[in-house]
This record gives sequence, structure tokens and C-alpha cells, in this order.
Amino acid sequence: AIQMTQSPSSLSASVGDRVTITCRASQGIRNDLGWYQQKPGKAPKVLIYGASSLQSGVPSRFSGSGSGTDFTLTISSLQPEDFATYYCLQDYNYPLTFGQGTKVEIK
Amino acid sequence: QVQLQESGPGLVKPSETLSLTCTVSGGSISSSSYYWGWIRQPPGKGLEWIGNIYYSGTTFYNPSLKSRVAISVDTSKNQFSLRLSSVTAADTAVYYCAGRTAVTPNWFDPWGQGTLVTVSS
Repeated sequence: AIQMTQSPSSLSASVGDRVTITCRASQGIRNDLGWYQQKPGKAPKVLIYGASSLQSGVPSRFSGSGSGTDFTLTISSLQPEDFATYYCLQDYNYPLTFGQGTKVEIK
Repeated sequence: QVQLQESGPGLVKPSETLSLTCTVSGGSISSSSYYWGWIRQPPGKGLEWIGNIYYSGTTFYNPSLKSRVAISVDTSKNQFSLRLSSVTAADTAVYYCAGRTAVTPNWFDPWGQGTLVTVSS
């Protein structure tokens, strides 16, 4: 199975900060990667698919980049509603595997 | 707009079988646009993919669970189901059903709200 290593596991940031989360795959996965946001008690929500495509309705402050083994999720200006846990998911092949998650907390 | 809703017992005894159903509304489970999947999340932990099924019955399972898991689809009821046998406390989790796009690029959307299943005697 492809292992997804996500970092950091948590971070503290202020409203307006630029935030970057990374995900590294144990082998090349082309651009078959998605980013999901999960708030407490809620189901995950897709933000980015295909490594860099913004899901409809997701604010443009979210962006994704990368290909192969290294991927990045960037929030250009953190908003109060962005405090949540973020997961990457590789869907290059089965079994689908998630990163461990990054919890974004208020500084 | 397609919506999903999980249902099933919230408490299962150790060694028994966990059974959950996901009802699809606002669209057909026989749509060629989706695979239907199950994902779980132990309390305070991360997400784990369990498996996917296509309306034709084609399935893909996580090898870590493969010997215990079965996903089936009932097109007449617009539902798909999860069965996980020989459960232990480690299977305590919130279980989500979700639709996954059938054509690359893939993503999971929509999701059900999730249902907590506790394994305890």
C-alpha cells in the first residue's frame, strides 16, 4: 500500500496567515491526490482534487500543487472558518490511503 | 443533489457482525458516475478507507480488512451496505458512506453525516 506522510501533524496560526501543509507519497502517484477539510463532528469535505483543481464552491484562498510524490495544500489567508483538520488522500491505486491529518489551530 | 444517509445499530458486541446501510437520495445508485464507498474514523484518530462498490457489484476492499468485510448494493432500494465480521473494540469508529467519482480525477463527494458504532459487551 502507498503510504502518505503528511506534515506537520498540527500547527498554530493567526487569521490572515499563509498556511502550507505537505503530503509525501511513498511512491509516485502522478497527480491522483485530493485534499479534504474536516471540522469537529462533521464529515470531511473535498477542497482539491487532481492535486490542483479547486472543487466547486471552495474559496480561492485554497490551492493545491505537486505531482509525483510531493504535494502541497496552501491557504493564502487563513480565515476563522478554516480552523479544522486537513487530510490528503491518494487515489492512484487501491487501497486508497489517507495522510495522518494536520490540525490547524488558532494561535 | 445526491445525498447519503447511514443507518444501523450504534452498539455491536465483540465477535459479532457490524452491519450498516447507506441510503442514496436525489439520484440513482445505478449511476455510472459514482463508486460508493465506506470510510471510518476511530474516535480522535484519522480516516481509513474500507472499500468501494460499483452499481454492477464490482468491489474493492482494504487488504487490512479484506477477510472480514463485505460491501453490497441493492439497486431496488437505492442502498448499499457494509458488513464487518468478528468485530473488536478496534472497530469502534464513526463510519461514513460516500460517493466517489468513477472517472479520473477522483474525489469523494457527497458524504453521509457519519454514524458512530461502538463495539462493546
